[in-house]
Amino acid sequence: DARVTQTPRHKVTEMGQEVTMRCQPILGHNTVFWYRQTMMQGLELLAYFRNRAPLDDSGMPKDRFSAEMPDATLATLKIQPSEPRDSAVYFCASGLVGGNQPQHFGDGTRLSIL
Amino acid sequence: GENVGLHLPTLSVQEGDNSIINCAYSNSASDYFIWYKQESGKGPQFIIDIRSNMDKRQGQRVTVLLNKTVKHLSLQIAATQPGDSAVYFCAENRRGTSGSRLTFGEGTQLTVNP
Repeated sequence: DARVTQTPRHKVTEMGQEVTMRCQPILGHNTVFWYRQTMMQGLELLAYFRNRAPLDDSGMPKDRFSAEMPDATLATLKIQPSEPRDSAVYFCASGLVGGNQPQHFGDGTRLSIL
Repeated sequence: GENVGLHLPTLSVQEGDNSIINCAYSNSASDYFIWYKQESGKGPQFIIDIRSNMDKRQGQRVTVLLNKTVKHLSLQIAATQPGDSAVYFCAENRRGTSGSRLTFGEGTQLTVNP
């Protein structure tokens, strides 16, 4: 089965440190999404890409978060500097644009900022 | 009082019973709907989808019903099994100026008792 792969699965670090989360979308998918899940807010869209171009990152705090797709097989989400309130599970999802297709999720990166 | 986080609606059923999970959506222009299942420590997993030109769709042991008049979506699980215990999310696809995006409901915790 094709899967979205996220690394690392878990990350614990001190506030102020840079955090990089990686995602390998399903081969052939042309849209990539980053979500954050917390008990307080549920599942929130942070950013999404179509054909590697950022289409919407309005859900992302721009001062510390950045999302990129250096190539079709890698998407990254960086936080610099990290803060305790960034602690959450971050999910990547990929899909196909057009024709109403479901997004497929990875198993997430559980991030804890101390 | 202090907000300690989302209080997920819960549904508890006996093994072998049928389960019905409900979802209200907000945007009458949404044209595509998806149900996801999320088990502990994993990402949301696609279960079934339905387009707005349909009112019912069946899968293996699952059926999704769509009532556009009252903006209501339901997921029916037949002969519920302990492995069905999870949080279930509905998602609606909204078209905007920067493309389509999914908006997720708060989720329902399904517990199946043996």
